[in-house]
Amino acid sequence: DSGVTQTPKHLITATGQRVTLRCSPRSGDLSVYWYQQSLDQGLQFLIQYYNGEERAKGNILERFSAQQFPDLHSELNLSSLELGDSALYFCASSSTSGGESSTDTQYFGPGTRLTVL
Amino acid sequence: AQKITQTQPGMFVQEKEAVTLDCTYDTSDQSYGLFWYKQPSSGEMIFLIYQGSYDEQNATEGRYSLNFQKARKSANLVISASQLGDSAMYFCAMRDVEWSWGYQKVTFGIGTKLQVIP
Repeated sequence: DSGVTQTPKHLITATGQRVTLRCSPRSGDLSVYWYQQSLDQGLQFLIQYYNGEERAKGNILERFSAQQFPDLHSELNLSSLELGDSALYFCASSSTSGGESSTDTQYFGPGTRLTVL
Repeated sequence: AQKITQTQPGMFVQEKEAVTLDCTYDTSDQSYGLFWYKQPSSGEMIFLIYQGSYDEQNATEGRYSLNFQKARKSANLVISASQLGDSAMYFCAMRDVEWSWGYQKVTFGIGTKLQVIP
């Protein structure tokens, strides 16, 4: 158990809908990262938040947005869903924003499997 | 841009034998971090081992060791005394550190599927 929690574990929805995925980082971790894992794209970095602020953006679509709340939990919002959005969405957390002198390992949650029908 | 290459889509190993999973990377940064993660069929991503670019010794964590050859830009994972529970996907990853902004982005390889045979 990494200490990172994600809900829900499974989500089935229809095209055009909007869903929210939730993540709670490990106790004491300030950074949250979101990843998408699909069969054809592999594991893709979406976005990073550090202590409530957006820090880095990867291959995140405009239909997707995220935020990190004062209690450090994070939500990933996916809207206007398409069939191709079906994937496993991971949240990871680390203790700092990233630094040369630290290992700053990212610990992953169990993931949310999203199926768009 | 960073790139991680894992050239072995699948590997078989006999139980109790050692196995090496290959990983090469490409970066122009002097400072970087390399990671290995395990993903069993249940789906979770499990952190295994970390190697910093300035670490002079190869990292070890129990049965896992990282064979780091900086000049060749390789970071192979060695699993000793394989167990049936080691059957999983294994991902090599690199951390990109933007020091001025203080963020990190991790790039993953496509993974190697390891199957341990009894």
